[in-house]
Amino acid sequence: AQKITQTQPGMFVQEKEAVTLDCTYDTSDQSYGLFWYKQPSSGEMIFLIYQGSYDEQNATEGRYSLNFQKARKSANLVISASQLGDSAMYFCAMRTESGGYNKLIFGAGTRLAVHP
Amino acid sequence: ETGVTQSPTHLIKTRGQQVTLRCSSQSGHNTVSWYQQALGQGPQFIFQYYREEENGRGNFPPRFSGLQFPNYSSELNVNALELDDSALYLCASSISSVGNTEAFFGQGTRLTVV
Repeated sequence: AQKITQTQPGMFVQEKEAVTLDCTYDTSDQSYGLFWYKQPSSGEMIFLIYQGSYDEQNATEGRYSLNFQKARKSANLVISASQLGDSAMYFCAMRTESGGYNKLIFGAGTRLAVHP
Repeated sequence: ETGVTQSPTHLIKTRGQQVTLRCSSQSGHNTVSWYQQALGQGPQFIFQYYREEENGRGNFPPRFSGLQFPNYSSELNVNALELDDSALYLCASSISSVGNTEAFFGQGTRLTVV
């Protein structure tokens, strides 16, 4: 079964520190994609970073990096130098392609609180 | 902003009623997917429309239906509303239904069924 697991319901971090949000996935597909989204209280899903299953290097986008360990089926998000505006829900998602179409499977999310 | 707009932003309906939610996809995108996000959970895939036809569906009953128009905008219709239908409904558009494509989300419609 295809599944995303986020084991941290909530995380706290001090402003300017780094934080790691955990994500493990389960799939039998050879080709898949892993995404991280940020969801503020307004509801919109904001794309942060993407890692393809065949990408050999870890993805980075500004302060965001994805620690991809394929053998362990993990795709943790690292946020460096946390800012107060980073407080939000964070979702890990996997793109699967079956039946001729893409869809995203999401985890339950991690609520991040950044303290001054 | 992603260029994907949803309307309305909030909606209150009574159990048993019908509701229509709307989504305008980003320019150049021919694929629209709908997701339901219940409170405290991650989004769940409802269905996807590609070039005006439904080409994929998640585990949702037939009272959830949709349309896609020639300009690739889309509607989600829910009949016989139940209390459990209360959720944030997210629309995502992409340039293709397959391959390495990114999905761009709208701000969502928050539906409350009373």
